[in-house]
Amino acid sequence: ILNVEQSPQSLHVQEGDSTNFTCSFPSSNFYALHWYRWETAKSPEALFVMTLNGDEKKKGRISATLNTKEGYSYLYIKGSQPEDSATYLCAPNHQGAQKLVFGQGTRLTINP
Amino acid sequence: DAEITQSPRHKITETGRQVTLACHQTWNHNNMFWYRQDLGHGLRLIHYSYGVQDTNKGEVSDGYSVSRSNTEDLPLTLESAASSQTSVYFCASSESRSLAAQQYFGPGTRLTVT
Repeated sequence: ILNVEQSPQSLHVQEGDSTNFTCSFPSSNFYALHWYRWETAKSPEALFVMTLNGDEKKKGRISATLNTKEGYSYLYIKGSQPEDSATYLCAPNHQGAQKLVFGQGTRLTINP
Repeated sequence: DAEITQSPRHKITETGRQVTLACHQTWNHNNMFWYRQDLGHGLRLIHYSYGVQDTNKGEVSDGYSVSRSNTEDLPLTLESAASSQTSVYFCASSESRSLAAQQYFGPGTRLTVT
């Protein structure tokens, strides 16, 4: 079973502050990394898919970077808003695995 | 608009009963997946299918089965429900088998086994 770690497990941030969290995964045989955003009582929604070392993706105030050599990805949120409150899941793929393996997620709460 | 639906959204059943959860997608995706979500475990893969008549076991497949008779549907059956199977179940689909393919998730089914 692939070891995927997300940290921190939970995070409370004041509205307007920026924040970031981490997804760590084995670097060998890496193929792609997915980030999902999961609001309570809704279904997970895809944010990014990244494949190349040094990749950086951006969607509005949310961005992500990827380091495949050391096996980690950062997700950044700039100027947090209450609607950013959600659990953020990462799911790396490795060659030969044929399926996503999800981390436990980082639960982000934005305090107004 | 294409979508993925699950039914029922909530289900309470008794230990030992057989339960089937439905998943239906209108994207015409070949690939479909079932996950369960439990506190402290994130999403764990139960079964998946890459096309009609194809089914594969995931990480936590014991006690579950799936069948794929058409492209649109992948029902998940709990053969004899156990309290350990109380969970939220998510169905997902993707367009291709590429490991970079985005998965689209259904709204989830909350199952309680008493």
